[in-house]
Amino acid sequence: KQEVTQIPAALSVPEGENLVLNCSFTDSAIYNLQWFRQDPGKGLTSLLLIQSSQREQTSGRLNASLDKSSGRSTLYIAASQPGDSATYLCAVKGNRGSTLGRLYFGRGTQLTVWP
Amino acid sequence: NAGVTQTPKFQVLKTGQSMTLQCAQDMNHEYMSWYRQDPGMGLRLIHYSVGAGITDQGEVPNGYNVSRSTTEDFPLRLLSAAPSQTSVYFCASSYSPQGIEYFGPGTRLTVT
Repeated sequence: KQEVTQIPAALSVPEGENLVLNCSFTDSAIYNLQWFRQDPGKGLTSLLLIQSSQREQTSGRLNASLDKSSGRSTLYIAASQPGDSATYLCAVKGNRGSTLGRLYFGRGTQLTVWP
Repeated sequence: NAGVTQTPKFQVLKTGQSMTLQCAQDMNHEYMSWYRQDPGMGLRLIHYSVGAGITDQGEVPNGYNVSRSTTEDFPLRLLSAAPSQTSVYFCASSYSPQGIEYFGPGTRLTVT
């Protein structure tokens, strides 16, 4: 069964710092990996999608990398701002057998950026 | 283009009552899913569908029923609500397994 782990569970940093959030998964048979942002009481917003054949994706101050063979992804946030405060979720989508088409989530990293 | 919509936003039920959570998408997505989110447990898949008329169970399907008669709609039915079903429910859709997953705003359900 696919298991997704995110480290750290919580992170509190001053504004301006560069951050790295980590995600690991146990089964490398995936279509893709997706990073989401969730604000308190809200739904999930997709930040970046990395297909299994890709190594990284970038959007503005965000950069996500994927090493499928080792089952790892990192989300890099440059020059953090208070508006980045949210929970960041990592999810992988399976591509075979009982995992086909299913999204498996980590429990998230709760980020607080203080002024 | 409204994306993925869910109704209601909030609901309180008594134990034993039944209800249907509505989910609709206007992006012509074949793949739709229901998740529940609980503190300390993360998001878990309840049921999913790969197209009209095709559904399958996820990780936590007990106590829930789904059907998919159209591409646009994927309702989730609680047959006899229990306090353990108190949770936030999210509906999601994607064009293909390789595509971006889009989530609705969620339904916060409390069962007393």
